[in-house]
Amino acid sequence: GENVEQHPSTLSVQEGDSAVIKCTYSDSASNYFPWYKQELGKGPQLIIDIRSNVGEKKDQRIAVTLNKTAKHFSLHITETQPEDSAVYFCAASRGNAGKSTFGDGTTLTVKP
Amino acid sequence: GAGVSQSPSNKVTEKGKDVELRCDPISGHTALYWYRQSLGQGLEFLIYFQGNSAPDKSGLPSDRFSAERTGGSVSTLTIQRTQQEDSAVYLCASSSNAGQGTEAFFGQGTRLTVV
Repeated sequence: GENVEQHPSTLSVQEGDSAVIKCTYSDSASNYFPWYKQELGKGPQLIIDIRSNVGEKKDQRIAVTLNKTAKHFSLHITETQPEDSAVYFCAASRGNAGKSTFGDGTTLTVKP
Repeated sequence: GAGVSQSPSNKVTEKGKDVELRCDPISGHTALYWYRQSLGQGLEFLIYFQGNSAPDKSGLPSDRFSAERTGGSVSTLTIQRTQQEDSAVYLCASSSNAGQGTEAFFGQGTRLTVV
């Protein structure tokens, strides 16, 4: 089955700096890669996603890149703000967004 | 409702007892998913329902776990003879369909503690 590895497990940045979280996956048939943000006591919320026919996608301060050959994808957050502090999860699926294999999460702390 | 609703939000049970966790998906969503999230870890897929099709139970960890979805809406996850290792947050999600890239919306979860 699919295996998703996520790094780093914790990340601390200064407000205004950029944050990068990286994930690798094992199943070459995976073609949909969502990223979720989970705040304390809440369920994960989709923040951005990318499909396998696209190499990069951007939404304001958030961008995701995908390298299908290397089987890795990354989340980039620019101009970080304290409210970006949360746990971020990457995931991979074969097109079924709800049936995904998740990474173990990255706890991002943005220091004011 | 506005989002996926799960109840109870917290549940403490004694080892060996059965528990039922409830999920109300977003109205009109045909796909429903259950996940388990252990402390400090990612989400582990348990089971998935799509319309009237047979559920995908490939993630259920043992035969103590079962789920049903009545009338294509509300779902109940049942854990029989609970064990301490069942302690986790159980998350439910729904999506308008199971098609590629359709966003899955998560509830806030039920925190289960087995003592």
